[in-house]
Amino acid sequence: EAQVTQNPRYLITVTGKKLTVTCSQNMNHEYMSWYRQDPGLGLRQIYYSMNVEVTDKGDVPEGYKVSRKEKRNFPLILESPSPNQTSLYFCASSLSGGQVSYGYTFGSGTRLTVV
Amino acid sequence: AQRVTQPEKLLSVFKGAPVELKCNYSYSGSPELFWYVQYSRQRLQLLLRHISRESIKGFTADLNKGETSFHLKKPFAQEEDSAMYYCAPDSGGGADGLTFGKGTHLIIQP
Repeated sequence: EAQVTQNPRYLITVTGKKLTVTCSQNMNHEYMSWYRQDPGLGLRQIYYSMNVEVTDKGDVPEGYKVSRKEKRNFPLILESPSPNQTSLYFCASSLSGGQVSYGYTFGSGTRLTVV
Repeated sequence: AQRVTQPEKLLSVFKGAPVELKCNYSYSGSPELFWYVQYSRQRLQLLLRHISRESIKGFTADLNKGETSFHLKKPFAQEEDSAMYYCAPDSGGGADGLTFGKGTHLIIQP
């Protein structure tokens, strides 16, 4: 089944303890991106990647890192999490179509709580 | 600056009534337009692409370039349509991800 898989689904951690949220897609998509969803603010992009070793900042990149060493994986790293990073996180991927956009497929989300 | 506006945070209609969720955008060039839907506690799903001109689950959306709008419509709402709906213009062929509107929470009352 074609899908985007995020792990873990739920995570409670303490301030300052490094964590990684994994994202993997099995559709050979070039494009991948991370979003956070907060009440009243909707979905905001954190980072995106156009292909292996090509990543760039989205609208709210502070406090996050990403890497794209393989096409299928795009982990989100929080080096020193803080309570304001408590949120629902979504990973998404899309096929490259040149000037045509095919739309994104989303993962099930990771609910992160930082205490 | 690129901007997408969904003016209604919450829209409540009765079952069987028509629904229109508004989306206005301010983008350079000619972006592609998408609607995504998020049912309770589920992932976002692509609902509509304007370029495909499809009707999905009874929803349609018309791109009005003059008004820079892409409103989502359905003639007869059903209870299972209750969800969050997000408008997302895309001007880069998808390469740089999506910028979403803040979403409209649609509630269909029985």
